Amino acid sequence: GENVEQHPSTLSVQEGDSAVIKCTYSDSASNYFPWYKQELGKRPQLIIDIRSNVGEKKDQRIAVTLNKTAKHFSLHITETQPEDSAVYFCAASKRSGNTGKLIFGQGTTLQVKP
Amino acid sequence: DVKVTQSSRYLVKRTGEKVFLECVQDMDHENMFWYRQDPGLGLRLIYFSYDVKMKEKGDIPEGYSVSREKKERFSLILESASTNQTSMYLCASSLGRQEAFFGQGTRLTVV
Repeated sequence: GENVEQHPSTLSVQEGDSAVIKCTYSDSASNYFPWYKQELGKRPQLIIDIRSNVGEKKDQRIAVTLNKTAKHFSLHITETQPEDSAVYFCAASKRSGNTGKLIFGQGTTLQVKP
Repeated sequence: DVKVTQSSRYLVKRTGEKVFLECVQDMDHENMFWYRQDPGLGLRLIYFSYDVKMKEKGDIPEGYSVSREKKERFSLILESASTNQTSMYLCASSLGRQEAFFGQGTRLTVV
């Protein structure tokens, strides 16, 4: 079945620095790759996603890159702020009819030090 | 605004009890998911449903079953609760291969 590996498990950066989180997936048929942010005590929420027909997507300080050949994708956060501190999850999904079974990575705890 | 609501925020059950976790969504999503969240292990898929009465096992289905009799409701059943099922359970729903919306989670403790 589909497997998603995420690294690192923890990441600590100084405010203003960049943070990069990497994920690899096993099923080459995967074609949708969302990223979720979970703040302490809250539910995960989508922050950005990318589909397999695109190599990069940006939304203000957040960007995601996808390398289909290598089966990996990454989240880049620039100019980090203390409010970026949270657990980040990558996920992968593939088309199966009209459905989308979503498999998550293990999560990365990001700490941004002021 | 999409709403995914889980019936309980906190539950304490005894070993061997049958436990029902309920999830309701109000956006007519065909996909519904049950995940288990444990530190260092991320969100592990227990079961996935893509339509009424349709279900698919996830990565860790052992000890669990599910029911989807109506499109808006997806129930997770622990047939005989054990202490290793103490965890945070998250329900989610989505439309096709689009954003999944999560419930607030149920913290289950089995004693």
